This record gives sequence, structure tokens and C-alpha cells, in this order.
Amino acid sequence: AQKITQTQPGMFVQEKEAVTLDCTYDTSDQSYGLFWYKQPSSGEMIFLIYQGSYDEQNATEGRYSLNFQKARKSANLVISASQLGDSAMYFCAMREGRGNAGKSTFGDGTTLTVKP
Amino acid sequence: GAVVSQHPSRVICKSGTSVKIECRSLDFQATTMFWYRQFPKQSLMLMATSNEGSKATYEQGVEKDKFLINHASLTLSTLTVTSAHPEDSSFYICSAPLAGSYNEQFFGPGTRLTVL
Repeated sequence: AQKITQTQPGMFVQEKEAVTLDCTYDTSDQSYGLFWYKQPSSGEMIFLIYQGSYDEQNATEGRYSLNFQKARKSANLVISASQLGDSAMYFCAMREGRGNAGKSTFGDGTTLTVKP
Repeated sequence: GAVVSQHPSRVICKSGTSVKIECRSLDFQATTMFWYRQFPKQSLMLMATSNEGSKATYEQGVEKDKFLINHASLTLSTLTVTSAHPEDSSFYICSAPLAGSYNEQFFGPGTRLTVL
């Protein structure tokens, strides 16, 4: 079974609107970390936001917030006030256990297109 | 923030030749680095964990004799694709976590390898 599932291959959003990118995960570990990354067409991976499994509050970083629902094993990314520069591929990733951040499993990604 | 560089950014080679890709952490020491592979429009797949001063740890299904990894110093890891074939054409990305960090890792800009 896939450990990280992103069910939306592509999403469209109007500029200035909010958009939610879905991510569900599967793990038996009690301690884990969830990440979202942005990958523009240039290929670089840009870290957006992190949520630890023991964090009680949802993580927020500027226009990015993570809707963490532990019982449902979901970690959706919400982007508020979308901008044209937000058009990119977005990956959800999970690090199991208390291991190094680099040893992560990535989802298949969601391509977000922001329309003017 | 911390910076990771990769060299070269693009390489085209003939089938049967070997290609070396360098990953450097520019302003911090990285005892561990990670090598990922990404096919077009697909997810990142972890290939191996590069450990300074010891052998790399390869993920299941990754041929260690084909993808040679050397972590020569605390700031440099190299990936050598030996006897490259067209199916090795891909985007190779390295990452370097901050020591002891669970949630901070920095990605290199990636290397696009095309094997003719």
C-alpha cells in the first residue's frame, strides 16, 4: 500500500482564491513528520511546511497552512490568496519514526495551476 | 538559509560512459546526504543515503554497483552513474539535512542526466 497518497493529479484555482491540496498517509509509527514541498518547473524542491505527529496545533507558514487530522491520517495543504507564482507541482512527504528528515517517502504530487 | 549545490546542472552523455554528479553543502556540514531520482512528472524516489566516513545505504532495488556513492567529506557527496544507459536518464536530486534535525533538509537544484 502506498504510504503517501495524493489523489489530485491536477488542480486549478483562480488567482486570489484559496485552494486545498489533499494528502493522506499510512504509518504504524507513533512518531512521524509530514512535509509539503513545492517544485516549480525549474526543478528545485522548496520546503513549505512541516507538521510533527505530536504537534497539537496545525502548522502555518505565511499563506500556507496544514490541516492535520491525525485520526483520519490526512495532512492537507491549504494555500490562501493564490498567486500566479504558486503554479507548480506540490509534493506531500512523510518521515517515519524520529529519523532524519531526508529519509522521506513522497507522494505522486499535485500539479497546481493558478488562473489569472 | 542553508544552501546545497549540485554540479553539473545538466549532462548529456553517450551510452556506456560514466557520469559523476557532485552534491555540496555550502555553509553547513552534512554527515548524511540523500540521493533521489525523479522521472518526468513523477514522484521523488529515494535511492540511497550517503554517510560520511562509511558506506552508503541503498534502498531496495537500487544497484549499488551501478550508482556509486562516495561521501568524501562533511560537505561533499558524489553519485557516479556507471556504464550509463538511456533508461538511466532522469533528474537526480540530492538533499542534506541539518545535523540532528527532524524537519529541516535542503535540496540541491538537481541534475538532469540524458543518456543517448
